[in-house]
Amino acid sequence: GAVVSQHPSWVICKSGTSVKIECRSLDFQATTMFWYRQFPKQSLMLMATSNEGSKATYEQGVEKDKFLINHASLTLSTLTVTSAHPEDSSFYICSGLSSYNEQFFGPGTRLTVL
Amino acid sequence: AQKVTQAQTEISVVEKEDVTLDCVYETRDTTYYLFWYKQPPSGELVFLIRRNSFDEQNEISGRYSWNFQKSTSSFNFTITASQVVDSAVYFCALSPPETGGFKTIFGAGTRLFVKA
Repeated sequence: GAVVSQHPSWVICKSGTSVKIECRSLDFQATTMFWYRQFPKQSLMLMATSNEGSKATYEQGVEKDKFLINHASLTLSTLTVTSAHPEDSSFYICSGLSSYNEQFFGPGTRLTVL
Repeated sequence: AQKVTQAQTEISVVEKEDVTLDCVYETRDTTYYLFWYKQPPSGELVFLIRRNSFDEQNEISGRYSWNFQKSTSSFNFTITASQVVDSAVYFCALSPPETGGFKTIFGAGTRLFVKA
């Protein structure tokens, strides 16, 4: 199957700082990418849908000014957690949608905000 | 509304036992996809199967098998002769076809412990 990478795989930051997470589709072009958040022992919750060259669509309850998404190319989407706080600590997973409408998930990024 | 219910929060079995993970879904769409994913402690989602709503054939892949019953909106997953390496969280998911791409809806997950 196709490969999606995320960088970094884990990050620890201080409260109030911003953190950028990259999601790359390595061997396919992803017009659409999704960002999920997973709290410990919970399921994946869709945060936003990112379309290349346009604004992301955020799910209800997700603050778009806090979670900035940029899908600048067909292989890269970034999620920036601005002014991170401890409650933002979570496992963030991205996925890319192939031209065959198959969804491939990245390995996730574990964010810890102190 | 779309919804996926995995009623079993945790299951604990002894190695070599068979175990079935239940999944019940709700959707008004006539066309949809159902998935099972495995999430080991490392966190990375491992794709196991995708099933089209028009295909009710059961599937077997090694020790894994899936039973899709449209009449009861269920898509259950059975592991035969479980092994310690099967210990993970398993997610059932539903993907309704929508304009602009799929949005996968995940169940709460079932944590499987397989003891040696």
